[in-house]
Amino acid sequence: ETGVTQSPTHLIKTRGQQVTLRCSSQSGHNTVSWYQQALGQGPQFIFQYYREEENGRGNFPPRFSGLQFPNYSSELNVNALELDDSALYLCASSATPVGGETQYFGPGTRLLVL
Amino acid sequence: SQQGEEDPQALSIQEGENATMNCSYKTSINNLQWYRQNSGRGLVHLILIRSNEREKHSGRLRVTLDTSKKSSSLLITASRAADTASYFCATGGGDSNYQLIWGAGTKLIIKP
Repeated sequence: ETGVTQSPTHLIKTRGQQVTLRCSSQSGHNTVSWYQQALGQGPQFIFQYYREEENGRGNFPPRFSGLQFPNYSSELNVNALELDDSALYLCASSATPVGGETQYFGPGTRLLVL
Repeated sequence: SQQGEEDPQALSIQEGENATMNCSYKTSINNLQWYRQNSGRGLVHLILIRSNEREKHSGRLRVTLDTSKKSSSLLITASRAADTASYFCATGGGDSNYQLIWGAGTKLIIKP
């Protein structure tokens, strides 16, 4: 167990809807990264939050947005859902935002868009 | 974007045998990490090897890194059924200041 929690575990939405996924970081960690993992693929970096600011972003459109709160928990919001957004969404916390820092993952939220 | 490429994509061996997975990457790195993922759940960190290290051990795991060839290997000795999982390499630092860049993974099946 990493101490990183995510909610909900599963979610079904329809195309065009909006979704909010939540993540609680491991105690003492101030950095949260979000990933999208399609079936049979490796994780794709969405963005990272460090001390409540977006610290870096992968190749995802603006309809993917996020927040980090003073307790370092985080949210991932996706607007105007598309069928291709169906995936496992993983959050990971780390002690620093430095590239290559060991990341501690939550169990993921599996999103299905119909 | 995905930098690492794991080889093979899938591997099936008998319990007790050794399993070797390889990872190649494209850019300069500060370190390379290996993670395990069971049944599409969260990833678990296994081992980190820094760019100035050539080999590292952790229990039944042995990782090598060849920065001249931009490649790494993960050896699991005396495999167990519980080792059945997908294994991913991820590179950090170097050209990427804040993110890990991941390969597509090797799916390992240990037959009892």
